[in-house]
Order: sequence, then structure tokens, then C-alpha cells
Amino acid sequence: EAQVTQNPRYLITVTGKKLTVTCSQNMNHEYMSWYRQDPGLGLRQIYYSMNVEVTDKGDVPEGYKVSRKEKRNFPLILESPSPNQTSLYFCASSFRLAGWAEQFFGPGTRLTVL
Amino acid sequence: GENVEQHPSTLSVQEGDSAVIKCTYSDSASNYFPWYKQELGKRPQLIIDIRSNVGEKKDQRIAVTLNKTAKHFSLHITETQPEDSAVYFCAAPPNTGNQFYFGTGTSLTVIP
Repeated sequence: EAQVTQNPRYLITVTGKKLTVTCSQNMNHEYMSWYRQDPGLGLRQIYYSMNVEVTDKGDVPEGYKVSRKEKRNFPLILESPSPNQTSLYFCASSFRLAGWAEQFFGPGTRLTVL
Repeated sequence: GENVEQHPSTLSVQEGDSAVIKCTYSDSASNYFPWYKQELGKRPQLIIDIRSNVGEKKDQRIAVTLNKTAKHFSLHITETQPEDSAVYFCAAPPNTGNQFYFGTGTSLTVIP
């Protein structure tokens, strides 16, 4: 089944404790992206990747890191989480050959930083 | 970067009525305009999209219209049903660059 998976789905942590949220897709998509969703602010892009070893900042990259060592995986790293990073996070991927294409979202990760 | 504004932020309609959600964008070179639906507790999913070479696209009860001159596009849902209740997001990625910009969302409630 074609899908985007994220783990964990729920996470409660404390300020400053490094964490990683994994994202994997099995559709051979080139474009992968991380978003955070907050009430009233919609979906805001954190980082995106056009292909292996190619990543770039989105609208709200502060406090986050990403890597793209393999085409299927795009982990989101919070080196020192803070309470303002409490949010719902979505990973997404799309097969962008020319122009834009449908983005397929993962199930989401609800993160709480105490 | 692109600025996408979406209105209204909340919308309540009676079952069977129509609902319209409007988005405006700033980058005149944008040429792809998707709409995503997010049901409660679920992930966003694409429901319809339109490219700048057409002015309207329909898929059963949903349609999207595009006015490139005015830089706005709208989602129209006719004969609304309770299962249409969800948050709807528009997007207008710029023609250059690789960032993706969503609107702030519209929470639609269809009252039975």
C-alpha cells in the first residue's frame, strides 16, 4: 500500500531533551516536506527536500533540523525542544516531475513539550 | 515569499445549502492551486486542484474557480452533506522556488 508513515504518533517530552520524528514514504517520491499545524495558523512549512542530500528551509525552520540520506526517509530533529514547539506535525511527500503535484500526508505526530 | 489569505475562517451552513471558501494569493506567477480537506483527527487530503490554464474545474459536488487577474480562487461545495464538515485548506505555491504555502484554513460545519 502506498503510504507515508510517521513515528511516533504521540510524544510528550521535556524542554531540552533531543528528539527525532521519523518519516518514511514508499512511493519513490522526490519531494518531501515537514509542516506544523497550529490553531489559526494553518499548515506552515518547516523544511523541505527536493531529493537526496538536498534540503532547504521553509517558513518556520528555527529550532529544527532535517536530513535526507535516503530517498524514502526524511527525519525531523529537535535538538533542544522548547514549549513553543508543542504542535501537530505532518510529513508529506509528492512526485514532482514538472510543476506541482499532489502531496500525500503522513498521519501526524502530536508533540507536547513541557 | 507567497502570501495566501483564506476566508472565512469558520463557516456554518444548513445541509443542502452551498458553501464557498475564497483564497487570494500574491505571486502572480503561481500556476497551481490545490484544495485539501482535513477531517477531525485525520491528515489533510487533496480533494481538487486547478492549474492556471483553466478557469474552472468540477468534480461532482465540488468545484474550483480561478481568477488570475484578481489573484483569487474559490472552492464551491453544492448540496452540502454532514460528511463535508471538515477544515479546508487552499494553497498557492509560487512558480519559482520550492516552498509550499497553505492558507490558514476554513472550518466548515454542515448542520443536519
